[in-house]
Amino acid sequence: GNSVTQMEGPVTLSEEAFLTINCTYTATGYPSLFWYVQYPGEGLQLLLKATKADDKGSNKGFEATYRKETTSFHLEKGSVQVSDSAVYFCALSTPAGKLIFGQGTELSVKP
Amino acid sequence: EAGVTQSPTHLIKTRGQQATLRCSPISGHTSVYWYQQALGLGLQFLLWYDEGEERNRGNFPPRFSGRQFPNYSSELNVNALELEDSALYLCASSLRVSEAFFGQGTRLTVV
Repeated sequence: GNSVTQMEGPVTLSEEAFLTINCTYTATGYPSLFWYVQYPGEGLQLLLKATKADDKGSNKGFEATYRKETTSFHLEKGSVQVSDSAVYFCALSTPAGKLIFGQGTELSVKP
Repeated sequence: EAGVTQSPTHLIKTRGQQATLRCSPISGHTSVYWYQQALGLGLQFLLWYDEGEERNRGNFPPRFSGRQFPNYSSELNVNALELEDSALYLCASSLRVSEAFFGQGTRLTVV
């Protein structure tokens, strides 16, 4: 079946540290991959996406590369800020349109 | 362009009552997803509607049900409410195989 697995949180970093949140997936066919972010008290917002192998999605300094050989879509940012504190969700969309989320990873950035 | 709208924002019900939550997708979107987000937990997939039909449902009891109307708006009904149904209920809409956009959610509290 289709599933998404993320590293467990919470992840606590100091400001300007490097961030990696791991995400791996299992899927039949060729899914599209997404990262969503949920700031405290808000709904989910799309952060970035990649629709085919080797695509790199990027937004607001965050990047993730669609790696088919390792079935991964790890989220990275070179220098995090306090304002990046949020819950991050990795997700995939199957070719049939079903949307599946990982369990979410809470990030806390300290000044 | 209006985003995904959910109503009501907050809903307080007593055990055993029924709750009805509503979602209006972005204009032109045909898929609607419902998720439950209990405190401290990730997104639990509830239901997926596309083109007026239920495409998939998550591992929830039958008292969770819904429908999608000809204008693609959707309702989620929860019968015989239990205390553990208290959660944030999120609706998202998409064009099939593209990214989903989320509403701000309905906070359901069962007392």
